Amino acid sequence: AQSVTQLDSQVPVFEEAPVELRCNYSSSVSVYLFWYVQYPNQGLQLLLKYLSGSTLVKGINGFEAEFNKSQTSFHLRKPSVHISDTAEYFCAVTRMNRDDKIIFGKGTRLHILP
Amino acid sequence: DAGVIQSPRHEVTEMGQEVTLRCKPISGHDYLFWYRQTMMRGLELLIYFNNNVPIDDSGMPEDRFSAKMPNASFSTLKIQPSEPRDSAVYFCASSLLLAGPVSTGELFFGEGSRLTVL
Repeated sequence: AQSVTQLDSQVPVFEEAPVELRCNYSSSVSVYLFWYVQYPNQGLQLLLKYLSGSTLVKGINGFEAEFNKSQTSFHLRKPSVHISDTAEYFCAVTRMNRDDKIIFGKGTRLHILP
Repeated sequence: DAGVIQSPRHEVTEMGQEVTLRCKPISGHDYLFWYRQTMMRGLELLIYFNNNVPIDDSGMPEDRFSAKMPNASFSTLKIQPSEPRDSAVYFCASSLLLAGPVSTGELFFGEGSRLTVL
């Protein structure tokens, strides 16, 4: 079965500084990978996804992530964060070409410091 | 264009009472998921349906929990009897296709139902 590990439960970062949120996955087959964002008191919404093709994926709000198959990672990055990026970020995985459930990591809470 | 609609948004009840949470998925979506979110356990998949049929209910914590999807536009999650440890935010999500060759792979979440059991 596949699994997702988000290594940091909380990440504090100063406004306008770069940030990286880490995600590692485990699966015996090829996977699709996602990052979702949850703003306070809201449901999750898709930030970006990797299905195939280029390993560097760009999403909304200036975020990007890189799929690294050898390291089984899918880290999320942003070169300069804004106070509005304060949210919880979830990495998720599902098996490729299978009608299968999507497994979410435990989430990383991003705190933007003024 | 309406998204996933959940009701109620907030529910406060006493231990032992029956709780029913409702979900209307996006029209045309053929997958529906129920998740539970708590600080301790994060986001847990409880059950999901494909074309109104339950596919995997292995995440349902115990027999006190049940979920139904009588038609393509409505699903319920019921807890009977409720206990304080059931306090959480319950999310419903829907998807057109999950991970097939033409899938977008995207889940659309409702705003959640915050349940407090006293």
